[in-house]
Amino acid sequence: LAKTTQPISMDSYEGQEVNITCSHNNIATNDYITWYQQFPSQGPRFIIQGYKTKVTNEVASLFIPADRKSSTLSLPRVSLSDTAVYYCLALNAGNNRKLIWGLGTSLAVNP
Amino acid sequence: DGGITQSPKYLFRKEGQNVTLSCEQNLNHDAMYWYRQDPGQGLRLIYYSQIVNDFQKGDIAEGYSVSREKKESFPLTVTSAQKNPTAFYLCASSINQSGKLFFGSGTQLSVL
Repeated sequence: LAKTTQPISMDSYEGQEVNITCSHNNIATNDYITWYQQFPSQGPRFIIQGYKTKVTNEVASLFIPADRKSSTLSLPRVSLSDTAVYYCLALNAGNNRKLIWGLGTSLAVNP
Repeated sequence: DGGITQSPKYLFRKEGQNVTLSCEQNLNHDAMYWYRQDPGQGLRLIYYSQIVNDFQKGDIAEGYSVSREKKESFPLTVTSAQKNPTAFYLCASSINQSGKLFFGSGTQLSVL
């Protein structure tokens, strides 16, 4: 079964760029890698999704190398409101197309 | 407004009691999911359904039951067989298996 691994926690300061990397092995070769943000006592919220290379939207960028063994969520110029837990999600390779969640990275943005 | 609604926000269960958590979506999504989240931990899949009248066990299905009689609704029952039910329960839906899920706001279940 595929596995996704991400750092447990990260610290940053307002205005900095934050990069969170998720390692994933044995994931489906033709499916998306997705990142979510979760605040306390709320459901996770979709941030960005990509298949390969680089994807950018109004809140984040996602970098996926050609071997797809990892992905990096980049948050430009973070603010205090970006303090949250960030999860990566991939699909298991093969016929068992199970959703494989990382355990989450708790990001603390300091003033 | 399109979305996914969970109720209640807070629920208390007495010893030996079954309780049912509601999940409704008006996004016309085929797939629906139930996850359990314990403090400081990630998401663990309880049950999922890819189509009406069909559902599959997830990683921690013991002590839980579901039904999917309508596309819009996927209620979760926490039975008395679930000995440690205190957790945050999240319902989600997706249009396909691309990994883009829409989550409800969750139900916090506690034991009296």
